[in-house]
Amino acid sequence: EVKLQQSGDELVRPGASVKMSCKASGYTFTDYAMHWVKQSPGQGLEWIGTIIPLIDTTSYNQKFKGKATLTADKSSNTAYMELSRLTSEDSAVYYCASPNSTGSIDYWGQGVMVTVSS
Amino acid sequence: DTVLTQSPALAVSPGERVSISCRASEGVNSYMHWYQQKPGQQPKLLIYKASNLASGVPARFSGSGSGTDFTLTIDPVEADDTATYFCQQSWNDPTFGGGTKLELK
Repeated sequence: EVKLQQSGDELVRPGASVKMSCKASGYTFTDYAMHWVKQSPGQGLEWIGTIIPLIDTTSYNQKFKGKATLTADKSSNTAYMELSRLTSEDSAVYYCASPNSTGSIDYWGQGVMVTVSS
Repeated sequence: DTVLTQSPALAVSPGERVSISCRASEGVNSYMHWYQQKPGQQPKLLIYKASNLASGVPARFSGSGSGTDFTLTIDPVEADDTATYFCQQSWNDPTFGGGTKLELK
């Protein structure tokens, strides 16, 4: 069974950074890319960026360049996303999501709720 | 960016047929996908590449379209279909529609 297990919800101070994880199981981690997707409260979905673990290549939505940093650890089948210089605009649920060869997303993590508050 | 436009909300009665539209700002070939999201849950893939039913999804769901105009149809609608439906294109860097909230009368 494919599973993407994300780390727990975060409460962080404005200006701080947060790093979340997404542990993949049930498939070969290096066979597929990993997207990260933001969902603001009551809003739609935004693509943040994608990492290809096999070759450690990343691509980012221009809007999130400088805000998000994607990494992956092949030894532990885990993808990471770090968000920096957090503001209230970054309060949202963040999903990791594994696309298939068509670009549709079969598998989603359960989401990490990030709350930015002093 | 490829902008995807969906109508914000629809209300239908159980047993009826409903069509949810998604219009792309530029052609995306057939690389349009549909998801269902219920409150507090992650999105679930329903349709991939415009018209292909994802594994385990009831045949009440179907998709059509190509180029810039796509439609998700549910026929017949059941009470459990109350949710928000998103389209997503993968022809260019991924983008999502704003979502259509389906309510049952």
